[in-house]
Amino acid sequence: EDQVTQSPEALRLQEGESSSLNCSYTVSGLRGLFWYRQDPGKGPEFLFTLYSAGEEKEKERLKATLTKKESFLHITAPKPEDSATYLCAVQAAPGGGADGLTFGKGTHLIIQP
Amino acid sequence: NAGVMQNPRHLVRRRGQEARLRCSPMKGHSHVYWYRQLPEEGLKFMVYLQKENIIDESGMPKERFSAEFPKEGPSILRIQQVVRGDSAAYFCASSPRGMYEQYFGPGTRLTVT
Repeated sequence: EDQVTQSPEALRLQEGESSSLNCSYTVSGLRGLFWYRQDPGKGPEFLFTLYSAGEEKEKERLKATLTKKESFLHITAPKPEDSATYLCAVQAAPGGGADGLTFGKGTHLIIQP
Repeated sequence: NAGVMQNPRHLVRRRGQEARLRCSPMKGHSHVYWYRQLPEEGLKFMVYLQKENIIDESGMPKERFSAEFPKEGPSILRIQQVVRGDSAAYFCASSPRGMYEQYFGPGTRLTVT
């Protein structure tokens, strides 16, 4: 069974204080690993897709990296508007697990001004 | 380009009633996924549909739940004889093809009284 574990569950940072969120996964053949951002009362907002170990993607203050067992979401010099829950999800290759995404429970990030 | 649309945004049903949740995918997207988010839990995959076909329903409860995506009109998730445990946020996502990033709607929050 595909599994995704995110840590920490919650993280409080000062504005400008960089940090990393962790996503550990087990999947029967990885098709892709996805990062989403979710604000309270809203649907997840797509951020990145990573397909193979060693791949990196960046968007503004966020950078996502992937190894064979985990992914990191690095947040550089965060601002209060980066406060949200960050979700990690995996999708199994065809013939592997379910066709839908398997999500972790998320990291609730708070950036204090 | 409008995003994924879901309605209603909030739905209140008494125990034993039926709930119908609607999802219109993004323009040009023919693949629809439904997820459920219970309080304090992560998003859970329920079902994956293409027009007139259920591709993967491995996450759907065996009883009372059904989904369809007709040739014309929105995808519908139907819950018969709702119980209090069905109270949750239900999200729909769409993608332009299978095995691709999914874009989420704002969700329908179902409350069973």
